[in-house]
Amino acid sequence: EPEVTQTPSHQVTQMGQEVILRCVPISNHLYFYWYRQILGQKVEFLVSFYNNEISEKSEIFDDQFSVERPDGSNFTLKIRSTKLEDSAMYFCASSGTGDNEKLFFGSGTQLSVL
Amino acid sequence: EDQVTQSPEALRLQEGESSSLNCSYTVSGLRGLFWYRQDPGKGPEFLFTLYSAGEEKEKERLKATLTKKESFLHITAPKPEDSATYLCAVQANWGYSTLTFGKGTMLLVSP
Repeated sequence: EPEVTQTPSHQVTQMGQEVILRCVPISNHLYFYWYRQILGQKVEFLVSFYNNEISEKSEIFDDQFSVERPDGSNFTLKIRSTKLEDSAMYFCASSGTGDNEKLFFGSGTQLSVL
Repeated sequence: EDQVTQSPEALRLQEGESSSLNCSYTVSGLRGLFWYRQDPGKGPEFLFTLYSAGEEKEKERLKATLTKKESFLHITAPKPEDSATYLCAVQANWGYSTLTFGKGTMLLVSP
């Protein structure tokens, strides 16, 4: 079965550094998402991306965050200047049509900001 | 604001002991209610989508039902491999495909 692939699985960084989390969504999917889960808390929506632009974003997704689809297969989340509170598991997801369509999630990148 | 509350937070069952997990929700127009399974250190794995009150879906030992205010995930004769955190999420009519998740129910099935 096709799957969403995320790299790296773990990322450790110093506060204030930039990080890029990478994702390869399922190949024929059109909608892409980033969610995050702080340890012990809910999975939270960050951003959705369709047709090469952001379609929706949450309050969490401030100016420090950006997303990009640099080519036909990758989807990235950049955090410009990491804060301690950015430490979380970041999940990439993709879906086929976006409307009532189930989201397929990757295994996540555990980001630790020291 | 859309809200999802799951109960109990944790549930321990003996193998073969059936039970139900609850998901209560408030949403300004429900487009869909989703159930996911999450294993430790992994991403959520899709189980079911329910769209309207009265709808039911089944998969192996799992059955999901939906009313206008809540959804239940019934687990019949569970096995140890059913141990996981079960997440409920709602998708509202107003947005695109944003899912609002509950905190989940951590299920442990002992042999």
